[in-house]
Amino acid sequence: GQNIDQPTEMTATEGAIVQINCTYQTSGFNGLFWYQQHAGEAPTFLSYNVLDGLEEKGRFSSFLSRSKGYSYLLLKELQMKDSASYLCAVMDSNYQLIWGAGTKLIIKP
Amino acid sequence: IAGITQAPTSQILAAGRRMTLRCTQDMRHNAMYWYRQDLGLGLRLIHYSNTAGTTGKGEVPDGYSVSRANTDDFPLTLASAVPSQTSVYFCASSLGQGNTGELFFGEGSRLTVL
Repeated sequence: GQNIDQPTEMTATEGAIVQINCTYQTSGFNGLFWYQQHAGEAPTFLSYNVLDGLEEKGRFSSFLSRSKGYSYLLLKELQMKDSASYLCAVMDSNYQLIWGAGTKLIIKP
Repeated sequence: IAGITQAPTSQILAAGRRMTLRCTQDMRHNAMYWYRQDLGLGLRLIHYSNTAGTTGKGEVPDGYSVSRANTDDFPLTLASAVPSQTSVYFCASSLGQGNTGELFFGEGSRLTVL
């Protein structure tokens, strides 16, 4: 079966750095997405990786290793507004998105 | 305002009743999707449409139906609601199936079936 694993919850301090991991086992691979979802709101797109390596976008970076079935989202200079759930999703060989359950990130002052 | 609009935002429904969740987008996206989101689970695809006039079943299609008469609208119908369909429903769109760009989500419809 297809599976996306990510931690259920993480806590970090304002101003610090946090890394959210995602491992996957899917039927084929056509890219990995990270979305941010604030409580009670819709998910919004953060990043897309299809090749191995690090993609940097401001305070957020996303890394992919296809051989290891592994990705992480790195958030730097954490702000209180970064408190949200972070969803990892993989596009399989049928171009369908398989979603992880999300990681709830709690930022403390 | 460009984007996706869902209605209603919240609804309480008696079991056995019929319910249609509406979804409209004005971005001229070809592909549209309906997901449900339940606590502790990832988003699960109910039905999708790659282009107007076509629809397909997702991971959890039972008890739901959709139609895609035109590019903009993609309603989701629960023919006879059951309590297990209590969930938050998100409509989404993208340029096309297999498109490596982002999904755009509506604000969600919170449905409670009693």
